Amino acid sequence: GAVVSQHPSWVICKSGTSVKIECRSLDFQATTMFWYRQFPKQSLMLMATSNEGSKATYEQGVEKDKFLINHASLTLSTLTVTSAHPEDSSFYICSAREGLAGGWDTGELFFGEGSRLTVL
Amino acid sequence: SQQGEEDPQALSIQEGENATMNCSYKTSINNLQWYRQNSGRGLVHLILIRSNEREKHSGRLRVTLDTSKKSSSLLITASRAADTASYFCATDAFLYSGGGADGLTFGKGTHLIIQP
Repeated sequence: GAVVSQHPSWVICKSGTSVKIECRSLDFQATTMFWYRQFPKQSLMLMATSNEGSKATYEQGVEKDKFLINHASLTLSTLTVTSAHPEDSSFYICSAREGLAGGWDTGELFFGEGSRLTVL
Repeated sequence: SQQGEEDPQALSIQEGENATMNCSYKTSINNLQWYRQNSGRGLVHLILIRSNEREKHSGRLRVTLDTSKKSSSLLITASRAADTASYFCATDAFLYSGGGADGLTFGKGTHLIIQP
């Protein structure tokens, strides 16, 4: 199946620094990618929808200026956590749709392995 | 946004037994998907069932969908220790979202422990 790669897998940073996480679709083009956040022992919460060539769509309660999303190409979306603080420590997971299949299907979503951010 | 709710939240059974997890959701969907997540890892897609399907099988997995009750169940037969993981249901409501390419909406998950 299709592969989505996330980098880095884990990162530890000091409070106040910015951290960039990359999400790449390795063998397919993804016009839409999604960023999720997962706290320990909890579910995934959708943060934003990343659209290639246009602005991301953020879910309610997610700070746009805090979590910068760039989807500059059909295979790469980046999430930058700006001025990170300890409360931003979390597991961030991206996913990408392989493409609209039409009819009942919307194209299978493939998930990256996640990036664990720890802010000291 | 809608959210699936799985139950039980945690389930511990003996190896070889069957494990059943349930999921309920709130609004119309295009499909429902089940995912598995090992601790600290990404998600693995297990099975997708469309809203016009009632039952689907994949290996030791059996998924049912009852759109009238807005519920789904995941059955893992002949469980193995390696099945220990968290299992999430996720709903896809693309055609009901006003045309926006929404992501999946995840439930809270069931943590399954298979005792060897």
